[in-house]
Amino acid sequence: TQLLEQSPQFLSIQEGENLTVYCNSSSVFSSLQWYRQEPGEGPVLLVTVVTGGEVKKLKRLTFQFGDARKDSSLHITAAQPGDTGLYLCAGDAGGTSYGKLTFGQGTILTVHP
Amino acid sequence: KAGVTQTPRYLIKTRGQQVTLSCSPISGHRSVSWYQQTPGQGLQFLFEYFSETQRNKGNFPGRFSGRQFSNSRSEMNVSTLELGDSALYLCASSHLQPTDTQYFGPGTRLTVL
Repeated sequence: TQLLEQSPQFLSIQEGENLTVYCNSSSVFSSLQWYRQEPGEGPVLLVTVVTGGEVKKLKRLTFQFGDARKDSSLHITAAQPGDTGLYLCAGDAGGTSYGKLTFGQGTILTVHP
Repeated sequence: KAGVTQTPRYLIKTRGQQVTLSCSPISGHRSVSWYQQTPGQGLQFLFEYFSETQRNKGNFPGRFSGRQFSNSRSEMNVSTLELGDSALYLCASSHLQPTDTQYFGPGTRLTVL
């Protein structure tokens, strides 16, 4: 059974601070996706990383996929109150794991003005 | 392009009843996956359909079933509802190429009384 350990579970910071969320596994993933979810809504895709060592930037968000494709991180620079939400990492094992994403437990981020 | 749609958005049932949830994928997407999200267990994979065939199934009892139609629309059914089935049920569609990135609908909030 593949597991994704996401940390921290909760993050409460002030506007302007930087933060990093981690996703770790002992398993290899063919790709890893990061989502953000608002209460009562479905997860919204932020990015997909596919290649080991890949780094993708989305404005103030930087995503990294580990060289061995077992871990990933999300770094937010100068957080804003609008960044508040639940952040989820999800791994795709590929092969015959058709349509199955393995999700981390999520990180609830609160950014105070 | 319209996103993934799910109906109904909210549903209240009593124990022992059955329920059917519907999902319309993004146009052109032929893979549809279903997930259950609860505060305690997070997002858990239910099953995936592609071209009307179930290709993958998670660890849920047989009370949970699904199907996919020729237009890629999908339904999931839960029979003999239990209190523990209260959850947000999410549907996601994927184009499969170049990556199996999944795009989620808003979900159906099911409450079992």
